[in-house]
Amino acid sequence: QLQLQESGPGLVKPSETLSLTCTVSGGSISSSNYYWAWIRHPPEKGFEWIGSIYYGGTTHYSPSLKSRATISVDTSKNQFSLKLTSVTATDTAVYYCACHVALTGLDSWGQGTLVTVSS
Amino acid sequence: QSALTQPPSASGSLGQSVTISCTGTSSDLGGYNYVSWYQHHPGKAPKLMIFEVTKRPSGVPDRFSASRSGNTASLTVSGLQAEDEADYYCSSYAGSNIFYVFGTGTKVTVL
Repeated sequence: QLQLQESGPGLVKPSETLSLTCTVSGGSISSSNYYWAWIRHPPEKGFEWIGSIYYGGTTHYSPSLKSRATISVDTSKNQFSLKLTSVTATDTAVYYCACHVALTGLDSWGQGTLVTVSS
Repeated sequence: QSALTQPPSASGSLGQSVTISCTGTSSDLGGYNYVSWYQHHPGKAPKLMIFEVTKRPSGVPDRFSASRSGNTASLTVSGLQAEDEADYYCSSYAGSNIFYVFGTGTKVTVL
């Protein structure tokens, strides 16, 4: 069973860039067929898929975040990352990393990390 | 793409059943066999309960079942147990490489 753990700053200033890393254990991030995803959960709202990256490097993003989000993989560290630029208070959320095979469900999730956007 | 619609709350007595609905459109939930359901205890990692409309991952009790009719999917929890009290979210592929659109969430209370 894959295990995922998010890390990164819990507080980001408005207009700056949010940067998070997900460390994968229990398997290789280069394993074929896996997508590595970021999802967020704003307070009092539902979950929002941010995007996914295939082990080969192909990325797919939510249309509403595509212009600000970048997901990348570092195979040497068995990690993948999220950068979200020009953040505002509406980007305050618990951010989760997860993985999935093709379009099946998100079958392993991290515990989540709260990121607050505030000056 | 808009969020899928779920009732805010649902409840059932211990040992009884509860069914949660999730309504989308023919462009998402009704158009693809990629509907999934998640259980979320606040503060913990969400857990996949159902994938591809009706399939259960290994380890998920068969008390959890799901179905779909047209643009509405449903999750039924039978033989309710105290630990089933949680938030439940549906999700669907929405086409055009939009991998996951989530529902608004339903809080299930076990009476």
